[in-house]
Amino acid sequence: ETGVTQSPTHLIKTRGQQVTLRCSSQSGHNTVSWYQQALGQGPQFIFQYYREEENGRGNFPPRFSGLQFPNYSSELNVNALELDDSALYLCASSSGPPGQVGEQYFGPGTRLTVT
Amino acid sequence: GESVGLHLPTLSVQEGDNSIINCAYSNSASDYFIWYKQESGKGPQFIIDIRSNMDKRQGQRVTVLLNKTVKHLSLQIAATQPGDSAVYFCAENGEPRNQFYFGTGTSLTVIP
Repeated sequence: ETGVTQSPTHLIKTRGQQVTLRCSSQSGHNTVSWYQQALGQGPQFIFQYYREEENGRGNFPPRFSGLQFPNYSSELNVNALELDDSALYLCASSSGPPGQVGEQYFGPGTRLTVT
Repeated sequence: GESVGLHLPTLSVQEGDNSIINCAYSNSASDYFIWYKQESGKGPQFIIDIRSNMDKRQGQRVTVLLNKTVKHLSLQIAATQPGDSAVYFCAENGEPRNQFYFGTGTSLTVIP
């Protein structure tokens, strides 16, 4: 078990609604990355936060946004939900400043279903 | 952009046999790789990592081999057990650091 926790575990939303997903990083980790994992696919990088600032973004539209708090926990917000947003959303934490790569640990994920 | 691919989408092995899962990557600048195990309904679990200045790294029952010449990774699992049944991903680091590119995964099934 990693120290990364996510909430909620499951969520059902309607197309057009907004959703907020939450993540608590492992103790001592100051970097949080969010990934989207569609069924049968590998995780796809959404964005990363380091010390409360966005530190890189993948190929996702602006309606995907995030926050990181002083305790390094993080939120992923998705506006104007679309059916294709249905996926497992994963949070991963790691330590170290940008430019330094190291072990990354994932949380259990939030399963989002958009109907 | 980077791409990470796996040679075999599915693999079935007898309990007690050794398993080998392969992975190709395309970005020669990648210098750090992680193997993850993902069980149904769970997040990816860190198994073992390797940096590009190494050719081999061993853990408990697992070994990762890195061949930079042909941009190939493999994960070897010794004495495979039913609990090893899962999807296995290799991931390579990209930019920003600690962003990882994943392949589609290999599904390992262990036959008792």
